[in-house]
Amino acid sequence: GAVVSQHPSWVICKSGTSVKIECRSLDFQATTMFWYRQFPKQSLMLMATSNEGSKATYEQGVEKDKFLINHASLTLSTLTVTSAHPEDSSFYICSARGGVRAGAGSLTDTQYFGPGTRLTVL
Amino acid sequence: QQQVKQSPQSLIVQKGGISIINCAYENTAFDYFPWYQQFPGKGPALLIAIRPDVSEKKEGRFTISFNKSAKQFSLHIMDSQPGDSATYFCAASRRGNKLVFGAGTILRVKS
Repeated sequence: GAVVSQHPSWVICKSGTSVKIECRSLDFQATTMFWYRQFPKQSLMLMATSNEGSKATYEQGVEKDKFLINHASLTLSTLTVTSAHPEDSSFYICSARGGVRAGAGSLTDTQYFGPGTRLTVL
Repeated sequence: QQQVKQSPQSLIVQKGGISIINCAYENTAFDYFPWYQQFPGKGPALLIAIRPDVSEKKEGRFTISFNKSAKQFSLHIMDSQPGDSATYFCAASRRGNKLVFGAGTILRVKS
């Protein structure tokens, strides 16, 4: 399948600082990227959907001023957790959906996930 | 209507056995049903997906069975191996829309 990378894979920061997480589609152009957070032993919770060149659409209950999302190109989206606090500690995962590589035979609805970023706020 | 209900919550299967995970949905507008496998500390990986115009799809040891009238779909893992031990998520979406995930099933295959 298509490859999505995330950077960093883990980050530890002090309370009150901001953290930026990058999500890249390596071998396809992602018209849409999604950001999820996942707590231990729980399912994925969608935070926001972003389309290249437009503002992200946030899920109910997600603070858009706290979780800033930028989707500046067809291969890169970033999530910035501003003024992070210990309760923001979680596993953040992005996914990408969009153009399909020639010959891949994938469904156009397919979301490919990144490896995740473990955020720990002290 | 947006929920996808997944069962069981956890499952233990002997090596070589068949693992079966079930999902049910309410929204008849859903037209894409993928299954994802997730190992601890990793992102989910797409296993197999199906659309409602077919009742079954097989890829290697993984098979999706789809029952449109019952609004249910299931994942069968044949000849289950210890390496299959992971968390499995079903999901559903309408074309072009966000995925709705099930709660997940923790599978353990005993050797």
